[in-house]
Amino acid sequence: GQQVMQIPQYQHVQEGEDFTTYCNSSTTLSNIQWYKQRPGGHPVFLIQLVKSGEVKKQKRLTFQFGEAKKNSSLHITATQTTDVGTYFCVYNFNKFYFGSGTKLNVKP
Amino acid sequence: EAQVTQNPRYLITVTGKKLTVTCSQNMNHEYMSWYRQDPGLGLRQIYYSMNVEVTDKGDVPEGYKVSRKEKRNFPLILESPSPNQTSLYFCASSWNADSVGQPQHFGDGTRLSIL
Repeated sequence: GQQVMQIPQYQHVQEGEDFTTYCNSSTTLSNIQWYKQRPGGHPVFLIQLVKSGEVKKQKRLTFQFGEAKKNSSLHITATQTTDVGTYFCVYNFNKFYFGSGTKLNVKP
Repeated sequence: EAQVTQNPRYLITVTGKKLTVTCSQNMNHEYMSWYRQDPGLGLRQIYYSMNVEVTDKGDVPEGYKVSRKEKRNFPLILESPSPNQTSLYFCASSWNADSVGQPQHFGDGTRLSIL
């Protein structure tokens, strides 16, 4: 089945440092979604990317969809303790295929 | 308030005792889905439903059943639970699941322990 590979599995940063998680697929994706799950919580939708080369921003978060639509990234500028959680990329075509997630820990 | 409601939130039970986890959404969504979340494995889809009376297997359907008799409800049934079904379960819904995709709304989760 369709797989999206996500790296790194864990990331520990000092508050104020930047953070990036990457999502890769061996096949072309029609779309990619990003979700955030806080510790003890449920996944919450952040954004969806559809177009080749698309870049979207939400405050300190920047989301990119590769030109070939086979990879995507989420970059957080100047992390804060509120950014702590696990970030998932998700591909959707009838089914939803979750990446394994990147767990972000931010030290104050 | 738009929401997906799962019950129970926590359950400890024994091997072989049938159980049902309920899921209800109040957003008139067509698409509903069940996931299990295990450490290091992310979320894996168990079953999904594109609409009433339409259900299909996800990636890990073995040992589970579902039904979709009404649009708002999508219960998950474990006929004979086993310890390897100990996990955190999430129900989710979205408007649909066409090729472009729609954001999913998740319930708060059900933590199942099968002894």
